[in-house]
Amino acid sequence: EPEVTQTPSHQVTQMGQEVILRCVPISNHLYFYWYRQILGQKVEFLVSFYNNEISEKSEIFDDQFSVERPDGSNFTLKIRSTKLEDSAMYFCASRSSGNPTDTQYFGPGTRLTVL
Amino acid sequence: TQLLEQSPQFLSIQEGENLTVYCNSSSVFSSLQWYRQEPGEGPVLLVTVVTGGEVKKLKRLTFQFGDARKDSSLHITAAQPGDTGLYLCAVPNFGNEKLTFGTGTRLTIIP
Repeated sequence: EPEVTQTPSHQVTQMGQEVILRCVPISNHLYFYWYRQILGQKVEFLVSFYNNEISEKSEIFDDQFSVERPDGSNFTLKIRSTKLEDSAMYFCASRSSGNPTDTQYFGPGTRLTVL
Repeated sequence: TQLLEQSPQFLSIQEGENLTVYCNSSSVFSSLQWYRQEPGEGPVLLVTVVTGGEVKKLKRLTFQFGDARKDSSLHITAAQPGDTGLYLCAVPNFGNEKLTFGTGTRLTIIP
C-alpha cells in the first residue's frame, strides 16, 4: 500500500540553525500539507500546498518557514533560523483530490529537537 | 477558529471493558473524522461521518455523528490492549481541506 515517507525521523539542531524536513507524498496525490505536534499538545495545521503554491498557511507559518516541491516527488519544509519553541513532531500529509471527505494520509513524522 | 474539545483527556481501563469518548464543538460541520495515533507515528484515519445521526461501525468501534453535526462519539466494546493510543477527532476545512484536530483522548487498555 502506498505511504507517505518522511526523513529524517529525528533531527537535532542548535538554535538559530536552518533545518530542512523532507517528505515524499503518495505519488498521484495533488494536495500536500505540513502539521506539527508539540509534545503533549494537539496536532496543528501549518501549511497547505496545491498546484505548486501555498493555498493556506496558519499563524504559526511565519517568515522563518518555507515549503517547496523541488521535483515531482519531494515536498520539503524549511525552517531558516530555528527557535527552541520549534521543537515538535512535524507531520507531512497528502491527499489525492479536492473531495472534502477524501482521506489525508500522514507520514510517520520527523521529531525536531532544537537545543 | 473551530474548537474541538475531546473528553476525557485521559482514560485508562481494563481489557474487556467498554468505553465512550467524545468530541464536542459549538460549530456545525459538514463532516467529521476520527483518527488513531500511536507513539512515533502519524495519525491514521479510522472513519469519516457525514450525515447527522450517522452511525458507522468498524469491528468493535462504533462512531456516531450528532444529529446537529456539532459533536461525535466513539464507543469501543470489549477493549483490547491493541486499542491503546491517542484518539483524535478532526474536521476538514472546506476549500483546501486542511484538518483541524481536537485535543485528543489518550486511551490505555490494561491487560
